[in-house]
Amino acid sequence: DSGVTQTPKHLITATGQRVTLRCSPRSGDLSVYWYQQSLDQGLQFLIQYYNGEERAKGNILERFSAQQFPDLHSELNLSSLELGDSALYFCASSVATGIRANEQFFGPGTRLTVL
Amino acid sequence: TQLLEQSPQFLSIQEGENLTVYCNSSSVFSSLQWYRQEPGEGPVLLVTVVTGGEVKKLKRLTFQFGDARKDSSLHITAAQPGDTGLYLCAGLDNYGQNFVFGPGTRLSVLP
Repeated sequence: DSGVTQTPKHLITATGQRVTLRCSPRSGDLSVYWYQQSLDQGLQFLIQYYNGEERAKGNILERFSAQQFPDLHSELNLSSLELGDSALYFCASSVATGIRANEQFFGPGTRLTVL
Repeated sequence: TQLLEQSPQFLSIQEGENLTVYCNSSSVFSSLQWYRQEPGEGPVLLVTVVTGGEVKKLKRLTFQFGDARKDSSLHITAAQPGDTGLYLCAGLDNYGQNFVFGPGTRLSVLP
């Protein structure tokens, strides 16, 4: 158990809908990362937050947005869903400072299926 | 965008054999990490290497960071079926801005 929690574990929805994925980082970790993993794309970095502020942005679509709240939990919002958005979505957290700044601890993931 | 390449893409070996997988880039990385991922689960951190030429051992796993900090290798001695999984390298570029994962090496160790 990494200490990172994600909900829900599974999500099935229809094209055009909007969903919210939730992540709680390990106790003491200030940084949260979101990743998308599909069979043909590998693990794709979406976005990173540090203590409530956006720190780095990867290949995140404009239909997707995220935020980190004062209690450090994070939400990833996916809207106007398309079939191609079906994937595993992982959240990871790290202390984000010092030599181990980027050692990331991953949650169990949310499997999104868009029908 | 700095890329990490991994080879081989797939590797299937018998229990007890040794193996090495590689992670390469044309860019310098301030640090590299190795993760192992099992199907349907999140990656699990194995090690971080920071210093060029560094060698770290974790039981039967030996990790090496290249002198120029552009490549890394993972050597497994006497592989066991429990080593089966997707091995990912990941790194933060030398500017400290972009964190990238390699595509992974999928290892299968047969009993």
